[in-house]
Amino acid sequence: QKEVEQNSGPLSVPEGAIASLNCTYSDRGSQSFFWYRQYSGKSPELIMFIYSNGDKEDGRFTAQLNKASQYVSLLIRDSQPSDSATYLCAVKSPWSGGGADGLTFGKGTHLIIQP
Amino acid sequence: GAGVSQSPRYKVAKRGQDVALRCDPISGHVSLFWYQQALGQGPEFLTYFQNEAQLDKSGLPSDRFFAERPEGSVSTLKIQRTQQEDSAVYLCASSWADQETQYFGPGTRLLVL
Repeated sequence: QKEVEQNSGPLSVPEGAIASLNCTYSDRGSQSFFWYRQYSGKSPELIMFIYSNGDKEDGRFTAQLNKASQYVSLLIRDSQPSDSATYLCAVKSPWSGGGADGLTFGKGTHLIIQP
Repeated sequence: GAGVSQSPRYKVAKRGQDVALRCDPISGHVSLFWYQQALGQGPEFLTYFQNEAQLDKSGLPSDRFFAERPEGSVSTLKIQRTQQEDSAVYLCASSWADQETQYFGPGTRLLVL
């Protein structure tokens, strides 16, 4: 059973600070990792994806992956009130040939940026 | 270009009714996924299509759930004899290939009374 764990929060961060969101996964064969942002009542929106160990930066967002520790994180620099949302970590395993699984999502972390 | 679209956006059904939910993927996207998202939870995988072939339906919760994509484009998720526990948001996502980024539609919010 593949599992993706996230702290549900809420995680409260003052405006302008760095928000750090964490995720662990159980399937060592996982190769693709995604962060989605979901505003209340809306559908998930892709923020970043990462495939290789290390850091990947895109604007104010940095994804970090450590496959040995089965850990992926998302850092949001200069947090803005508009960043307040639920952040979903998702993991994808390689296609085995017998069929392709979808993404396995965590329950999400509710992030609140305090003005 | 146009994103993934889903219809209806909201559906209220009486317990025991059949419902059909439609998904229009991004044009040219080969892969199509259906997810179910209960309140306060992350989306859970239901089924996956590559073109018209349903390659994985391991996430469908019961035989009351059925999905099709007959021409490799539009997909329909059908739920027969709906139950209250089927109340959730049903999300459709599409991608160029099964390993690529998935883009989500707005979802259909289903309420079974």
